Amino acid sequence: DAKTTQPTSMDCAEGRAANLPCNHSTISGNEYVYWYRQIHSQGPQYIIHGLKNNETNEMASLIITEDRKSSTLILPHATLRDTAVYYCIALRPSNTGKLIFGQGTTLQVKP
Amino acid sequence: DTEVTQTPKHLVMGMTNKKSLKCEQHMGHRAMYWYKQKAKKPPELMFVYSYEKLSINESVPSRFSPECPNSSLLNLHLHALQPEDSALYLCASSQVGGAGYTFGSGTRLTVV
Repeated sequence: DAKTTQPTSMDCAEGRAANLPCNHSTISGNEYVYWYRQIHSQGPQYIIHGLKNNETNEMASLIITEDRKSSTLILPHATLRDTAVYYCIALRPSNTGKLIFGQGTTLQVKP
Repeated sequence: DTEVTQTPKHLVMGMTNKKSLKCEQHMGHRAMYWYKQKAKKPPELMFVYSYEKLSINESVPSRFSPECPNSSLLNLHLHALQPEDSALYLCASSQVGGAGYTFGSGTRLTVV
């Protein structure tokens, strides 16, 4: 599965949009981009995933570039409860697939 | 039920003790996982079970022994652990071949 690169940390003002970038320049055609987050002392939480098209759900939006070499997770109106480590993972779903976490981005939402 | 339940939430054990961590889900997921997470580090995959059979062991020491007695339960048996094994142990489940994992809140283990 392709390696992903994320900034170590980011800050965001409460109420503003948080835009978290992820680089996956070696992603292959059948690899999905998954986003998870982990709030302090909790288990990771699935946020969203996509292959080519932009995706939106009740938590976030995922924008994938046309060449699929990068993506951005958007939290439209960040709250203090969105402070967490956000993980971007490229994965080809298969019976032997395994979710491997990188270092992620620590997002600090500030009042 | 959309949760993965892990018990106990906290565990302190001596290096000569034998203990077990338990994980339960009732979502019909047939893939279950154990992860280990040290402080300020990402979760590290330990074991994968698919259809109640061990499919992946990420070179985990034998003092950790997983067991999947049925499709809803996953155990991690611990024996002769070292202080460096102190960590948050996370269980997760998913559809086989899927990557939308549901994680439990973890068991925080301290080995003394």
